[in-house]
Amino acid sequence: NAGVTQTPKFRVLKTGQSMTLLCAQDMNHEYMYWYRQDPGMGLRLIHYSVGEGTTAKGEVPDGYNVSRLKKQNFLLGLESAAPSQTSVYFCASSSGTSEVDYEQYFGPGTRLTVT
Amino acid sequence: GENVEQHPSTLSVQEGDSAVIKCTYSDSASNYFPWYKQELGKRPQLIIDIRSNVGEKKDQRIAVTLNKTAKHFSLHITETQPEDSAVYFCAASISDYKLSFGAGTTVTVRA
Repeated sequence: NAGVTQTPKFRVLKTGQSMTLLCAQDMNHEYMYWYRQDPGMGLRLIHYSVGEGTTAKGEVPDGYNVSRLKKQNFLLGLESAAPSQTSVYFCASSSGTSEVDYEQYFGPGTRLTVT
Repeated sequence: GENVEQHPSTLSVQEGDSAVIKCTYSDSASNYFPWYKQELGKRPQLIIDIRSNVGEKKDQRIAVTLNKTAKHFSLHITETQPEDSAVYFCAASISDYKLSFGAGTTVTVRA
């Protein structure tokens, strides 16, 4: 199993450009998440999904959109990138079906720089 | 929403000594408290977790304690080794699917 994968690994955008980050998991997990990680601020939840076709806002959703058309994929979109969105983005997934397994499994991350 | 505070932000210990990281949470309904370790340039990985119905849990050199009354929980690493150098994050959850993370503690183990 590949676990959780993310593409791309690195990206540089100019202000105002758009892009989509792709997250894929092969563990048949119900729940998926997008976080951003900035120095000294830990991991902050952007959006999450509790199942195929569902999405919900997290702690810092402004400037981002998401879609979960297939259970295994969770897309994060930036419609008009801003320098404040320079960050490392992590996708994660968790089972959602087991009372004993709340563990979130993280992808390798995407380093995004907006100039 | 849940607010998790983590201290200290950096911690330097001599190899073989113990390291302790403390976290407090705001929502008394929180019932799940995991700890993640992130090595430089890598993804966060779960190292230990505890539920609100348990006061302490141990796994080899790491242990977690929970004080529900005071709303704080701690990570203890004994006999630290160079490979323990990493950033550690605590988190709390009031549901089975959403975590609130602390800001992280950078642990450096000096040889």
